[in-house]
Amino acid sequence: DAGITQSPRHKVTETGTPVTLRCHQTENHRYMYWYRQDPGHGLRLIHYSYGVKDTDKGEVSDGYSVSRSKTEDFLLTLESATSSQTSVYFCAISDLGLGGEKLFFGSGTQLSVL
Amino acid sequence: DAKTTQPNSMESNEEEPVHLPCNHSTISGTDYIHWYRQLPSQGPEYVIHGLTSNVNNRMASLAIAEDRKSSTLILHRATLRDAAVYYCILRESQGGSEKLVFGKGTKLTVNP
Repeated sequence: DAGITQSPRHKVTETGTPVTLRCHQTENHRYMYWYRQDPGHGLRLIHYSYGVKDTDKGEVSDGYSVSRSKTEDFLLTLESATSSQTSVYFCAISDLGLGGEKLFFGSGTQLSVL
Repeated sequence: DAKTTQPNSMESNEEEPVHLPCNHSTISGTDYIHWYRQLPSQGPEYVIHGLTSNVNNRMASLAIAEDRKSSTLILHRATLRDAAVYYCILRESQGGSEKLVFGKGTKLTVNP
């Protein structure tokens, strides 16, 4: 299994509070991604990173920010959590972001915003 | 972004072959076709991918239409552990715009 660790695995928070999810990889892969998964929607890309300090938005980036100060860590921050951000969040990694490469996923973080 | 279309659900019996279809009529010549599956309460896992030719690995086979506008994931003998949601996605060969679209996938039920 690819070395991807998501933390925390579960979190319950209140509306309006800041939340940071962490994705840590030991594979030295260049590309890292954050997805959210909601019933009936499949996986939707929030943000991705193609290198240290290089990030870009996905299809559902509003309300989220990311940072990548080290190759191995990709942080997803909800500045002021809302109930609509209750979801399962998955991190993924890819070596060079090329079409012929596999994506490897973490085990997910279940976030509940009350 | 190139998109894929899959049936919402399919059913199979244990030890029988399963053919999961995917339509991608807007595929470009440089897009790879990837398949991932997601078991309950787990993250997606890679199954197989290809560009133009059919591909085989220990998990499955991928049959790609000659015009590349559709593909089929083949599980040769379904087991109960193959019950999952299967996603067909397209990845650009040179990366860059990594706005991968997963869609809702096909939920496969395997009956004993």
